[in-house]
Amino acid sequence: QQQVKQSPQSLIVQKGGISIINCAYENTAFDYFPWYQQFPGKGPALLIAIRPDVSEKKEGRFTISFNKSAKQFSLHIMDSQPGDSATYFCAASELGYGQNFVFGPGTRLSVLP
Amino acid sequence: EAQVTQNPRYLITVTGKKLTVTCSQNMNHEYMSWYRQDPGLGLRQIYYSMNVEVTDKGDVPEGYKVSRKEKRNFPLILESPSPNQTSLYFCASSFWANTGELFFGEGSRLTVL
Repeated sequence: QQQVKQSPQSLIVQKGGISIINCAYENTAFDYFPWYQQFPGKGPALLIAIRPDVSEKKEGRFTISFNKSAKQFSLHIMDSQPGDSATYFCAASELGYGQNFVFGPGTRLSVLP
Repeated sequence: EAQVTQNPRYLITVTGKKLTVTCSQNMNHEYMSWYRQDPGLGLRQIYYSMNVEVTDKGDVPEGYKVSRKEKRNFPLILESPSPNQTSLYFCASSFWANTGELFFGEGSRLTVL
């Protein structure tokens, strides 16, 4: 019930291409779905987040698509750049219940120049 | 500068030798948490704290202790470390009031021989 599944485990994209990472969850009580970006040697940092009352949220080149009925959400990185090369974690939480996050296993993205 | 500071960043120790990883935040956050990051498993929560003197177990608490005597500090204690506690540890904090964003430290890489 608490697990968040994430795919693919790794992703290689050419510069300018679209990177897509998918996540799925089971617990219908989750009401907050963030994506975290982690560069080598650093802690994760919040990239973008969505609440289940909207189906899409866009911030610059980064878009979250959310499908409540399928219990799935995805991160799309448009015009991917070498500087986007990092590990991406999706997560889910019940914000009113201690803010305890369940993280996916992560996707290592490499954007080739 | 707003930050979460962990020490030490790197540590090699031997089985059974007690150690403490310190965590301090300067953002007046109520919520603090410890995670461990292992390849293919993502970030798993060890312990969390809603506020001073309030702590609770996360998903993988065995072999760890925490305390929250001051709002800014949340040390992680390994009373008798074992090799399966070799991992990358992250401390994180956030405001309790449903803002959702976790602020992570830069991580502490622990090796138990």
